[in-house]
Amino acid sequence: GIQVEQSPPDLILQEGANSTLRCNFSDSVNNLQWFHQNPWGQLINLFYIPSGTKQNGRLSATTVATERYSLLYISSSQTTDSGVYFCAVEQTTDSWGKLQFGAGTQVVVTP
Amino acid sequence: DGGITQSPKYLFRKEGQNVTLSCEQNLNHDAMYWYRQDPGQGLRLIYYSQIVNDFQKGDIAEGYSVSREKKESFPLTVTSAQKNPTAFYLCATNRGGRETQYFGPGTRLLVL
Repeated sequence: GIQVEQSPPDLILQEGANSTLRCNFSDSVNNLQWFHQNPWGQLINLFYIPSGTKQNGRLSATTVATERYSLLYISSSQTTDSGVYFCAVEQTTDSWGKLQFGAGTQVVVTP
Repeated sequence: DGGITQSPKYLFRKEGQNVTLSCEQNLNHDAMYWYRQDPGQGLRLIYYSQIVNDFQKGDIAEGYSVSREKKESFPLTVTSAQKNPTAFYLCATNRGGRETQYFGPGTRLLVL
């Protein structure tokens, strides 16, 4: 099956700093989503981004499908950005809906 | 108030016991999914359903069963055959196809 690797595994930021999270995947995909899991376990969808660039407030994401990676940018980080960020992909050859998740990047933003 | 509800929030299972986790949605979504999350790991797909009265196994279906008798409901039963059931269980829905998935708040299952 497809491999999804996220880096770095852990990230500690001071409030106001910028950061970049990376997601590499081992095969062609037609679906890529970024999620944020808060400390209470709730997952929120941040982006549906199989290709191209999107922005939502202080967050933006870029997927280069031909080179099999996606980047999530956090600018001017806030303590509420703390949590785990997951990248999930759906392999082109798979039936729709079957997302494969990476292991996540644990982000801690300190005041 | 709308969205996806999961109950209970915490569940304790004794050895050899079957337990059922509830997932209900009022978003009128066709597709529903069950994931398992172990500490420090990503989510793994257990079962998914694209339409009422139909469901497919995910990557780790052994020891679990589901039903989809109503569009709004997709209960997950953790059977005694699941030898390591302690985990965080998350239900998700979407309109079907390769669409954004939306998640419920989760159920934490602990074996006594």
